[in-house]
Amino acid sequence: LAKTTQPISMDSYEGQEVNITCSHNNIATNDYITWYQQFPSQGPRFIIQGYKTKVTNEVASLFIPADRKSSTLSLPRVSLSDTAVYYCLVGDSGDTGRRALTFGSGTRLQVQP
Amino acid sequence: GAGVSQSPSNKVTEKGKDVELRCDPISGHTALYWYRQSLGQGLEFLIYFQGNSAPDKSGLPSDRFSAERTGGSVSTLTIQRTQQEDSAVYLCASSLGKGQGLHNTEAFFGQGTRLTVV
Repeated sequence: LAKTTQPISMDSYEGQEVNITCSHNNIATNDYITWYQQFPSQGPRFIIQGYKTKVTNEVASLFIPADRKSSTLSLPRVSLSDTAVYYCLVGDSGDTGRRALTFGSGTRLQVQP
Repeated sequence: GAGVSQSPSNKVTEKGKDVELRCDPISGHTALYWYRQSLGQGLEFLIYFQGNSAPDKSGLPSDRFSAERTGGSVSTLTIQRTQQEDSAVYLCASSLGKGQGLHNTEAFFGQGTRLTVV
């Protein structure tokens, strides 16, 4: 299983851009990079997924360098409601088993007013 | 339903009793996962189903834990002779199975069952 490493916690203020970086040195050729968000007392929610370069959706952007050994989740202009735990996952898009959904410790983002 | 449904939402049980937790996945999702999450901790993988079979049971913490899935849909997680350390939120997720699309690692989670063993 490709192991991921993320900062344990981050603090930010409303309106700022937040970048959370995840390291995955052992990423395999077929692995995709997926980020989930979890609010207190809720199950995780899919945010974004990518394979290489940059992916953007209505919620976030995902930057993946050419070597794919890391990825950065970018949240533009965060608000208080973005306070949550963010998980980086690495897995084979063709594998729906444990390998595709192994959660690490996540990054606890606290947004202050 | 529109999402993954879990029941009950809360369960308080006495130590030594058996409990059953239910998960209704999204219709058409062949992959189903069970996790548990202790307070303030990350998600601990328990078991994964592809259809009715469980190719990966490696996360079940002891033989007191078992799970089944029938008809490729509803799954039940059973904990026998519950212990206080079993207290946690038990989360179920489902996703499209293999070959169903490029992004089949996108899983949809239920709200969880909060189990308290007293």
